[in-house]
Parts: sequence; C-alpha cells; structure tokens
Amino acid sequence: QSALTQPPSASGSPGRSVTISCTGTSSDIGGYDYVSWYQQHPGKAPKLIIYEVSNWPSGVPDRFSGSKSGNTASLTVSGLQTEDEADYYCSSYAGSNSWVFGGGTKLTVL
Amino acid sequence: EVQVVESGGGLVQPGGSLRLSCTSSEFTFSSYNMNWVRQAPGKGLEWISYVSGSGSSMSYADSVKGRFTIFRDNAKNSLYLQMNSLRDDDTAVYYCARRSATGRAMDVWGQGTTVTVSS
Repeated sequence: QSALTQPPSASGSPGRSVTISCTGTSSDIGGYDYVSWYQQHPGKAPKLIIYEVSNWPSGVPDRFSGSKSGNTASLTVSGLQTEDEADYYCSSYAGSNSWVFGGGTKLTVL
Repeated sequence: EVQVVESGGGLVQPGGSLRLSCTSSEFTFSSYNMNWVRQAPGKGLEWISYVSGSGSSMSYADSVKGRFTIFRDNAKNSLYLQMNSLRDDDTAVYYCARRSATGRAMDVWGQGTTVTVSS
C-alpha cells in the first residue's frame, strides 16, 4: 500500500496547459483502469474531477483530461484559469476493495 | 448537490477511542459502498477503510487494521468508524466518501471531521 508518486508542485500561466504525472505499480495503476483525480482547494473537501482514467463527472469542464500508459497516469489541465490553483491528487484502485492515493501536487497558476 | 455529513471528531488522548459518524438522506444509502479517507495536517489523502452497501464486506489499510472498525446502519442512513488504540499519527481530518456507482472512484465527500490525538 505504498503511495503513488506525484511531483510536489506544478505551475503554468493563465491560458496555458500543464500536465501532472502519477506513477504507481502493476498492482495499482498498471493493473486497473480505475484511476481517478481529485481537486482540493485549501480548507475544502476533495472533489472528483476524473474517473476511470479519462472520464468526467457531470459538471466538470473538459479542460481537465486524463490518460494512462503502463504504470503512469497523467492529468492535463488546459486553458489554465486562476480558480484551477489547488492541490491535485491521483488515486488508483489497488484490488481487494482497497485504494491508494498520490502524495498530491500543488498547482500554481502564475 | 448530494452531500454527506461527518461528525464525532475531537481531542482524545493516545490510547483512547473515538467513534466517527457519517450520514446522508440525499441518496439511497444502502445502494452505495462507502469509504473513510483521512488527511493529516499538511499532508496528502490516505484511504483507510471501505464497507460494502450491505455492510457485509469491509477492508482496511495496514495503518489502521486491527485498531479501526468500519460499520454501517442502513436503517439510519449512517456510516461509522470506531477508532481504538489511537496514536499521535492518527491526528487528521477524516472524510466520509461515497464510492461511485461505476468506476470505483469516490464521487461524494463530506467536509470532514477533525480528530486530534494528543496528551
């Protein structure tokens, strides 16, 4: 049950794109197409923004996109807006009704 | 917007016990599997426990196995986390999170309840 690996920080200018990586193992990301991403603003609860690698829950803008290759998943935020500044966490199903999260990436919109 | 509400957090001494609750009347509670996820101060999210909709299947992270017990009372639309033998490193905000109907993601989160373990 080791945490997934994310870069601690990422940044981009308004209107540009930024990609956040999330690396796991064949026991989690590589073994299942159940990668999800969460956005968390300071003092707030996490919010689901991507599920099943690349799907959007209702109400989430398509500026957020997800992908996966092997043991690594990625979240791309396009057309950066100031309100996108937040912490982002990846998560993967890890079998036997267990989940693992990444350490989180603080996204700064410059 | 569908919501869940946690309660029961507080200050407890090391070795003590606490029971957290989570409730919602905004969806068919028994139809959804539920999770507890925690976040230590300034740290990331950590999944700690899962229970099936019927309550018959549970799982735990190694960090809490043998100390924490998850259970639910669907008649009361409530989820619980019984925490025993609490340690300093259990200090965190504890979130109740609904597992989505598909995709094994967590689609509804509460605002969290804070547990502080300190003497």
